[in-house]
Amino acid sequence: DVKVTQSSRYLVKRTGEKVFLECVQDMDHENMFWYRQDPGLGLRLIYFSYDVKMKEKGDIPEGYSVSREKKERFSLILESASTNQTSMYLCASRGEGVDTQYFGPGTRLTVL
Amino acid sequence: GDSVTQMEGPVTLSEEAFLTINCTYTATGYPSLFWYVQYPGEGLQLLLKATKADDKGSNKGFEATYRKETTSFHLEKGSVQVSDSAVYFCALSDGTDKLIFGTGTRLQVFP
Repeated sequence: DVKVTQSSRYLVKRTGEKVFLECVQDMDHENMFWYRQDPGLGLRLIYFSYDVKMKEKGDIPEGYSVSREKKERFSLILESASTNQTSMYLCASRGEGVDTQYFGPGTRLTVL
Repeated sequence: GDSVTQMEGPVTLSEEAFLTINCTYTATGYPSLFWYVQYPGEGLQLLLKATKADDKGSNKGFEATYRKETTSFHLEKGSVQVSDSAVYFCALSDGTDKLIFGTGTRLQVFP
């Protein structure tokens, strides 16, 4: 089975802090994704990566950046956290040529 | 652009009741369609999918049929259990890198 792990289940940060969310997958998938999930809005794509060191903006990239230095790891960075970035963050991965994404358990981030 | 519309929840049912969660989509091409489920405190899991018109996806007693004529992919289960309580997301993939999700429907099943 594909396993996608995220570094923290719950995180509390203060406004202005730099925040790193880490995601690791163990199936050698080329594609990795970061979403945020908010009530009434479903999942919205922040960034995705289709290869090491490659990244593409999703629908809501503002205030975020990403890093993919190794194939199995995809990091989401909040350069200066703000209260409106309080949310559930979900990482996913997908193999090449298939359409099913596999999700991690999520990180619930609270910015005070 | 492409979009997915789901019925608003919560859907509240007694155990063994019949479940339908409606999902309709708008797409310019021929998307693949998915249902994902999110149990409390967890990430999303793929429940079932269908890749072309008239395909039926099924898993764990849940079913959904890809209806191109009505642009729908409604989720059904004949007899729900308390353990089915979760949030259900309908999604489509148009062959690009993105999945487009609906807003989710919370299902609550009581004994």
